Amino acid sequence: QKEVEQDPGPLSVPEGAIVSLNCTYSNSAFQYFMWYRQYSRKGPELLMYTYSSGNKEDGRFTAQVDKSSKYISLFIRDSQPSDSATYLCAMSASDSWGKLQFGAGTQVVVTP
Amino acid sequence: DGGITQSPKYLFRKEGQNVTLSCEQNLNHDAMYWYRQDPGQGLRLIYYSQIVNDFQKGDIAEGYSVSREKKESFPLTVTSAQKNPTAFYLCASSRTEVNTGELFFGEGSRLTVL
Repeated sequence: QKEVEQDPGPLSVPEGAIVSLNCTYSNSAFQYFMWYRQYSRKGPELLMYTYSSGNKEDGRFTAQVDKSSKYISLFIRDSQPSDSATYLCAMSASDSWGKLQFGAGTQVVVTP
Repeated sequence: DGGITQSPKYLFRKEGQNVTLSCEQNLNHDAMYWYRQDPGQGLRLIYYSQIVNDFQKGDIAEGYSVSREKKESFPLTVTSAQKNPTAFYLCASSRTEVNTGELFFGEGSRLTVL
């Protein structure tokens, strides 16, 4: 079983809809949770970073972490065609500095 | 502009040949990493280095080798011992002072074995 599970999609939504993405994990030592966005044939770029449980909002993006359920989410409001990309969740434990465990990535397509 | 430069972008190799992928960064980061990305599997860590002249194996190091002779450079050699080398390879770097989880990635090198 993988440490981090993520539905690969594709997830297709109309422009303006809310995109809901999630990952589950099995390692209770994970404390740092990230979402990366990757456009086709490019390297990933950090979108959101959260430490431990709670919510974090940045513009149209909201990240949620529920450590009790080992479940993290990313919501994209008012989605745009430019949001079409693969979204990767990633996480690490405090004693495995810098070594991230990535999900498989979910491909999102926002149609005009 | 600061960033990570990977070369070549595309590479074709015959079976049995070694190939070296270049990774250079001008972000003054101490730590550098190599990941492999395959469809449906996410990113898997091959090797990482926290400081010059030191590096550690990641989850899938077999068939790969690295060196870290300069802070700016972290080349990856895919050897003939790697059974399934066709993949998208990503180099990344990060600061070491704070564990923010922010890795800065290059644009990747796509290796195809013919």
